[in-house]
Amino acid sequence: EIVLTQSPGTLSLSPGERATLSCRASQSVSYNYLAWYQQKPGQAPRALIYDASSRATGIPDRFSGSGSGTDFTLTITRLEPEDFAVYFCHQYGSSPYTFGLGTKLEIK
Amino acid sequence: EVQLVESGGGLVQPGGSLRLSCGASGFTFSSNWMSWVRQAPGRGLEWVANINQDGSEKNYVDSVKGRFTVSRDNAKNALYLQMTSLRAEDTAVYYCVKGVGWLGPWGPGTLVTVSS
Repeated sequence: EIVLTQSPGTLSLSPGERATLSCRASQSVSYNYLAWYQQKPGQAPRALIYDASSRATGIPDRFSGSGSGTDFTLTITRLEPEDFAVYFCHQYGSSPYTFGLGTKLEIK
Repeated sequence: EVQLVESGGGLVQPGGSLRLSCGASGFTFSSNWMSWVRQAPGRGLEWVANINQDGSEKNYVDSVKGRFTVSRDNAKNALYLQMTSLRAEDTAVYYCVKGVGWLGPWGPGTLVTVSS
């Protein structure tokens, strides 16, 4: 089973700043099948990025994904108030598909 | 617009059973893999099971194998999760999700609480 480690656990930033979230896999993610989700309190997760760097439909271009192999990054440029939430990474290259424990992005 | 709505959650005693349902609309249900993902209170996400378009292929996380069964009724645009021999650690919000790899959209979820 691939273990995904997200860092930092909590990130405190101000609107307008740039956020960089990390997801490290315990072994290489096949085909870079790595997704990122956003979850707000009381809501279901929403897909942001799939296949490491492709934006899902309707996702603003301030969200971008990068990386390959075992190291992946979600970058949010120019944070908007609605971007403060929890972000999870998810690998679907090897069964069982697994999720990271999340990074909480909070307002500083 | 894709809509997924789960139902069937509730309080059940350890060892009990529960059947979750998910109604789907806004897309061609019979052409898509579907998945169940759960989230324990205040915890992360865990993929539970998925099923292919005609129900001939099903996959489960090890912790639910032999206890949970995923199924679908394409005529009713419905997805199901039959859960038996429930344990306290099965307590979670269960989400119905479109897809098999990256997942989305997600339903709002239904809470299953296993407690005496």
